[in-house]
Amino acid sequence: GESVGLHLPTLSVQEGDNSIINCAYSNSASDYFIWYKQESGKGPQFIIDIRSNMDKRQGQRVTVLLNKTVKHLSLQIAATQPGDSAVYFCAEKKSNTGKLIFGQGTTLQVKP
Amino acid sequence: GAVVSQHPSRVICKSGTSVKIECRSLDFQATTMFWYRQFPKQSLMLMATSNEGSKATYEQGVEKDKFLINHASLTLSTLTVTSAHPEDSSFYICSAIGLAGSSSYEQYFGPGTRLTVT
Repeated sequence: GESVGLHLPTLSVQEGDNSIINCAYSNSASDYFIWYKQESGKGPQFIIDIRSNMDKRQGQRVTVLLNKTVKHLSLQIAATQPGDSAVYFCAEKKSNTGKLIFGQGTTLQVKP
Repeated sequence: GAVVSQHPSRVICKSGTSVKIECRSLDFQATTMFWYRQFPKQSLMLMATSNEGSKATYEQGVEKDKFLINHASLTLSTLTVTSAHPEDSSFYICSAIGLAGSSSYEQYFGPGTRLTVT
């Protein structure tokens, strides 16, 4: 069935290092991908998105890369800070329904 | 940015009782709201899509008679868990999409409601 999955369940990085969180998706018909950050006991927080006709998009300290050839999505966080510690989810959107399909999530732990 | 609220943030109820969770878009009108359920250390699973003024569309495997959804206005959707059982204990999260012309690609998420059924 359709799925959006993540390669690593937990990522531990040193404060100040760059983090890369990966995601694989299986539905090539999705036209929109989003990264969310979820802190414990809270709802998901939008980080950055990318449309399927793009391969890279940059935000403040974050970059999302999309490789449609291998159906791979990644989130890069520059100069990771303790406040970045959270669970990160990728999600794909079906444009005709607005539904989001979430990946399994990666826990990012930032060591001071 | 757009704000979505949920009430209550936490609720504990006895097995067999019903619980209502509210989802409100505070500063925008939401034609569509979504309800998700999230078990510990798991991802968000879509339960249903709620459109203002019409019946909700439920995902496969979600019992519509158990999870009653009402979207009576453009700023309010409610989820009622009927005859709750301990296995219904979970984190329930709603999201909302604004009217066309607003940031229509972005879903705004609520803070979630922790339901514990004893």
